[in-house]
Amino acid sequence: DIQLTQSPSFLSASVGDRVTITCRASQGISSFLAWYQQKPGKAPKLLIYAASTLQSGVPSRFSGSGSGTEFTLTISSLQPEDFATYYCQQLNSYPPTFGGGTKVEIK
Amino acid sequence: EVQLVESGGDLVQPGGSLRLSCAASGFTFSSYWMSWVRQAPGKGLEWVANIKQDGTEKYYVDSVKGRFTISRDNAKNSLYLQMNSLRAEDTAIYYCAGVIETKWEPYDYWGQGTLVTVSS
Repeated sequence: DIQLTQSPSFLSASVGDRVTITCRASQGISSFLAWYQQKPGKAPKLLIYAASTLQSGVPSRFSGSGSGTEFTLTISSLQPEDFATYYCQQLNSYPPTFGGGTKVEIK
Repeated sequence: EVQLVESGGDLVQPGGSLRLSCAASGFTFSSYWMSWVRQAPGKGLEWVANIKQDGTEKYYVDSVKGRFTISRDNAKNSLYLQMNSLRAEDTAIYYCAGVIETKWEPYDYWGQGTLVTVSS
């Protein structure tokens, strides 16, 4: 199975900060990577797919990049509603594994 | 509007069985792959299983193979997960997710989840 390692697992940031989350795959996955946002008590929400394509309706302050084994999710200017946990998911091979998550909290 | 509504979660003893259901609406259910994803309390997401439009292909995470069975009834717009020989580590919120045309796509629709607790 392909392992996805997210870093950091926790980060504290302020409104307006630029935030970057990294997801590293144990083997190459081309661009078959998605990012999700999950708020407490809610289901995950798809933000980005194919590593860098913004899902419809997702604010443009979210962006994704990378290919192969290293990927990043960037929030250009953190907003109050962005405090949540973020997960990456690889869809290159089965099983479609998730990263361990990055919790973004208010500083 | 796409809606996925799970049901069937409950408290069950180790070794017991449970059947989860997911009622789908707002789209042509028979045209899409569907999946189950779970989340243990305070933990991350884990993909569990998925099923092709016509039910002819099914995939499972290793930890549930031989114990869980995914199925669907396209006439009833419903997805199911039969869970047997349940273990404490199966305790989680189970989400119905997917609505995808191929098995390689991410999940843009999710239900609200149903809680399964395995404990004596």
